[in-house]
Amino acid sequence: DADVTQTPRNRITKTGKRIMLECSQTKGHDRMYWYRQDPGLGLQLIYYSFDVKDINKGEISDGYSVSRQAQAKFSLSLESAIPNQTALYFCATSETASTDTQYFGPGTRLTVL
Amino acid sequence: SQQGEEDPQALSIQEGENATMNCSYKTSINNLQWYRQNSGRGLVHLILIRSNEREKHSGRLRVTLDTSKKSSSLLITASRAADTASYFCASGNTGRRALTFGSGTRLQVQP
Repeated sequence: DADVTQTPRNRITKTGKRIMLECSQTKGHDRMYWYRQDPGLGLQLIYYSFDVKDINKGEISDGYSVSRQAQAKFSLSLESAIPNQTALYFCATSETASTDTQYFGPGTRLTVL
Repeated sequence: SQQGEEDPQALSIQEGENATMNCSYKTSINNLQWYRQNSGRGLVHLILIRSNEREKHSGRLRVTLDTSKKSSSLLITASRAADTASYFCASGNTGRRALTFGSGTRLQVQP
């Protein structure tokens, strides 16, 4: 079984809808991250969490919120989706340091119409 | 903005040839990592080189790091069609909150 899972894998929604993307990990890592990737581009950090009580904004947090329900679960919400949030979203984990190797989930392809 | 920048943005080679990708970064680092992404999939870690290392090998991969030039290169020898993917560098610095990923090099290996 995969160490980092994301649900759903694909989602099509309409402008203004609230969307939640979920991430679970079995690696026992403290740190979890949410990234956004636009076609042909690199990764942009949305939010990151060092533990359940420590959540931080990344480069592009506007329009997004997160919840760290447990060490193993980190959810990303789009409160009111807009078309320019159409992208590939990745969850990742790492052990304890910001320099540690990151382990990625398979991604969620989100389309906002 | 991305601190790491890969060069070239796209590379097309024949199977059996070597592929070289370069990465530049702007500030000091503790390590430099390379990741691979198959189309639409999650990134997979390939290799990590620490700031006090100059070269590292893993199978057909060779990574070099030149901290004076703030650059790194990834060499894939004897490429295969299965190596077709995007390759990203990521710089790590304990003073930053997370790895900083570059924009990637898209490698196409023609069979």
